[in-house]
Amino acid sequence: EIVLTQSPDFQSVTPKEKVTITCRASQSVGYDLHWYQQKPDQSPKLIIKFASQSFSGVPSRFSGSGYGTDFTLTINGLEAEDAATYYCHQSRSLPQTFGQGTKVDIK
Amino acid sequence: QVQLQESGPGLVRPSQTLSLTCTVSGDSISSGDYFWSWIRQHPGKGLEWIGYIYNRESTYNRGTTFYTPSLKSRATISVDTSKNQFSLTLTSVTVADSAVYFCARYDPPEFDYWGQGSLVTVSS
Repeated sequence: EIVLTQSPDFQSVTPKEKVTITCRASQSVGYDLHWYQQKPDQSPKLIIKFASQSFSGVPSRFSGSGYGTDFTLTINGLEAEDAATYYCHQSRSLPQTFGQGTKVDIK
Repeated sequence: QVQLQESGPGLVRPSQTLSLTCTVSGDSISSGDYFWSWIRQHPGKGLEWIGYIYNRESTYNRGTTFYTPSLKSRATISVDTSKNQFSLTLTSVTVADSAVYFCARYDPPEFDYWGQGSLVTVSS
């Protein structure tokens, strides 16, 4: 099983600030790493697929990068509506696995 | 617009069987190269993929299922094409199975449509 480890677990950020979340895989997943946003009492929503491809309708302030075992999700200019928990997900091999999540709070 | 909705009991007794159904609307559960999935989330925790089922005669045989190893012996995912539904049964539940259960459509490589989640509590 591929284990995904995110850091940090929690981040409190001022609006307009830049947010960086990392996801490290226990073995290479190539580009098969995706990011989801989950707001309280909602289901997760895809924001980035294949490490760096923005999903349709996602604001351009969200971007992703990385390959292999190290990946980054960046939010350039945090907005209040971005308060959520962010999860990475690998589809490289079964079982499908998710990171433990990074909660982003607005100061 | 594809929509998914979970239904089932919110309370299950320990050692009993958890049964949930996901009703799909806006598309046929037999169309497309999709995997119909169950994912759970323990309170305040991350996401755990349970498994999915493939419902076409294409890449795999219709009805092919895949499960996470830790739940494979207790979980069964099935499809009722006539009702456009798929289901999860989880046998011999314990308090550790208390979670929000999501159904989702997996269109490789992403889970693109999700239900809103169904809270299941295991308690006597």
